[in-house]
Amino acid sequence: GAGVSQTPSNKVTEKGKYVELRCDPISGHTALYWYRQSLGQGPEFLIYFQGTGAADDSGLPNDRFFAVRPEGSVSTLKIQRTERGDSAVYLCASSLTVDTEAFFGQGTRLTVV
Amino acid sequence: DQQVKQNSPSLSVQEGRISILNCDYTNSMFDYFLWYKKYPAEGPTFLISISSIKDKNEDGRFTVFLNKSAKHLSLHIVPSQPGDSAVYFCAASVEGAQKLVFGQGTRLTINP
Repeated sequence: GAGVSQTPSNKVTEKGKYVELRCDPISGHTALYWYRQSLGQGPEFLIYFQGTGAADDSGLPNDRFFAVRPEGSVSTLKIQRTERGDSAVYLCASSLTVDTEAFFGQGTRLTVV
Repeated sequence: DQQVKQNSPSLSVQEGRISILNCDYTNSMFDYFLWYKKYPAEGPTFLISISSIKDKNEDGRFTVFLNKSAKHLSLHIVPSQPGDSAVYFCAASVEGAQKLVFGQGTRLTINP
């Protein structure tokens, strides 16, 4: 498809488990962003990549969260030892460059039980 | 510390009238502002943006106004249509699209 694709669309996991969330950006977009949206709130920045490197990871809440983009295209957000407070919609976005508007995927709804 | 605030959680407007959504910010370093629209179970969709060197930007039915001295921006939709019913987020950044700071959102309902 032409848009940002995120998989899975829904993920239910048990507390303490490890999860991976995948993002396929728009082809040719060099910048990729991860945000987290909790109920009733706006999206909160987690990390952004310029190419393969994480240009700014200041929004990652703690060291249980990690993201990679090894080939400068697909990105994976990894959460270790999940906690109930990690439950949220995780949004990925991409932009042609960091100076142009970002286009969002539909999000992955993560529920930690 | 909420750097971008949308103080109205909801707004109801009659079809055909003007919808005005408001947003306030506290960080004077913000120089790029955007509005996104979000339908349920979908990601936010970019609507319109404005840089701090302008005070108005217009795209069809959508106009964004920026008042830097008041640290306030607004989105005007005229005429409002039923398909405009959604949650609207304003967002700001220090530079470009990176590291957007979002408001809490305003749910707009357009009544027929």
